[in-house]
Amino acid sequence: GAGVSQTPSNKVTEKGKYVELRCDPISGHTALYWYRQSLGQGPEFLIYFQGTGAADDSGLPNDRFFAVRPEGSVSTLKIQRTERGDSAVYLCASSFRGTSGNEQFFGPGTRLTVL
Amino acid sequence: AQSVTQPDIHITVSEGASLELRCNYSYGATPYLFWYVQSPGQGLQLLLKYFSGDTLVQGIKGFEAEFKRSQSSFNLRKPSVHWSDAAEYFCASFTGGGNKLTFGTGTQLKVEL
Repeated sequence: GAGVSQTPSNKVTEKGKYVELRCDPISGHTALYWYRQSLGQGPEFLIYFQGTGAADDSGLPNDRFFAVRPEGSVSTLKIQRTERGDSAVYLCASSFRGTSGNEQFFGPGTRLTVL
Repeated sequence: AQSVTQPDIHITVSEGASLELRCNYSYGATPYLFWYVQSPGQGLQLLLKYFSGDTLVQGIKGFEAEFKRSQSSFNLRKPSVHWSDAAEYFCASFTGGGNKLTFGTGTQLKVEL
């Protein structure tokens, strides 16, 4: 079956612009995660959804970052007033349930470049 | 807060040689531990995981890892490396009640032919 997909694969934007990054999880997975991977670093947790609600958004760096999952499937990560420091690969993952025993399956990521 | 440390940023091995990638964790209770591999342009792929029980776990692609509580380590091993194993490897953990993965900074593996 299809894995986690993310669009676009690459996004170049200018400082101050607004961007949306999309994640399509594996069908039937109720849990969805967003991570950010900066150059030379491991992925860092941003936010976790269980169904439609954000169960843990403690990793969002500031209020310029927001994510939604209105129907409990596709999720969109939204970044307002982008800054050069937001440049990174944004990874999405999903799991069957949001419990520790469930493997998180990762998408290929969206590479965001803020000029 | 829990943390995961991968002391080696880069490792180079010859094809056919054995491999050991180091991972240390910092957490009071037994953590859930994982090894992921990331190839260029690819998503993270789970190699293996440890939750409890047998401290030697087998994974895909011929990899194994051993959980050693006394050393707070979860090192990844492979007896004979193939050129296709060249990639970046991440150790990760999360706590029993949590859902977010905490990753190490990764080890870049280069395989010399």
